[in-house]
Amino acid sequence: AQKITQTQPGMFVQEKEAVTLDCTYDTSDPSYGLFWYKQPSSGEMIFLIYQGSYDQQNATEGRYSLNFQKARKSANLVISASQLGDSAMYFCAMREGLWGGGADGLTFGKGTHLIIQP
Amino acid sequence: DTGVSQNPRHKITKRGQNVTFRCDPISEHNRLYWYRQTLGQGPEFLTYFQNEAQLEKSRLLSDRFSAERPKGSFSTLEIQRTEQGDSAMYLCASSGQTQETQYFGPGTRLLVL
Repeated sequence: AQKITQTQPGMFVQEKEAVTLDCTYDTSDPSYGLFWYKQPSSGEMIFLIYQGSYDQQNATEGRYSLNFQKARKSANLVISASQLGDSAMYFCAMREGLWGGGADGLTFGKGTHLIIQP
Repeated sequence: DTGVSQNPRHKITKRGQNVTFRCDPISEHNRLYWYRQTLGQGPEFLTYFQNEAQLEKSRLLSDRFSAERPKGSFSTLEIQRTEQGDSAMYLCASSGQTQETQYFGPGTRLLVL
């Protein structure tokens, strides 16, 4: 089974609208971290936001927020007031075993290609 | 504060040749990671260093691949006897001791002809 599932291969959104990118995950580990990265056409992975499994509140970073629903195992990224520069690939990732015993590398989903239209 | 840097940014080689990539992490970061990303996919974890110790290797890291971090600073990833299937973006990331977030470099795009 896939550990990270991103069901939207591509999305078109009008500039200034809010957009939600879906991510569901699969783990039996009680301690894990969830990440979102942006990858423009240049190729660099840009960190956006992080949510720990025991964080009480949903993470926010500027225009980015993470809608964390633990029981549903979902960690959707919300971008408010989208801009043309938000056009890129977006990847959801997970690291399990934050308290030890888990893999140190991140497991990534296949990504969502977001295109912001003027 | 400089970010993670990788060299070269692009490499074209012929099948069977050896190639070596370099990664310089953020200066105070003691953890370093290598990933591989093929077209249309997310990055896949290859290996992880804490200081100079290589603590984890993915089964994706065949015996043609070797990574080193001799002084706990920069790291090199070598691919011997390259194959066309090795064509990919090779990404390096680093993180600090007490933080979970991994910061990525710009990557090295490898094309094996």
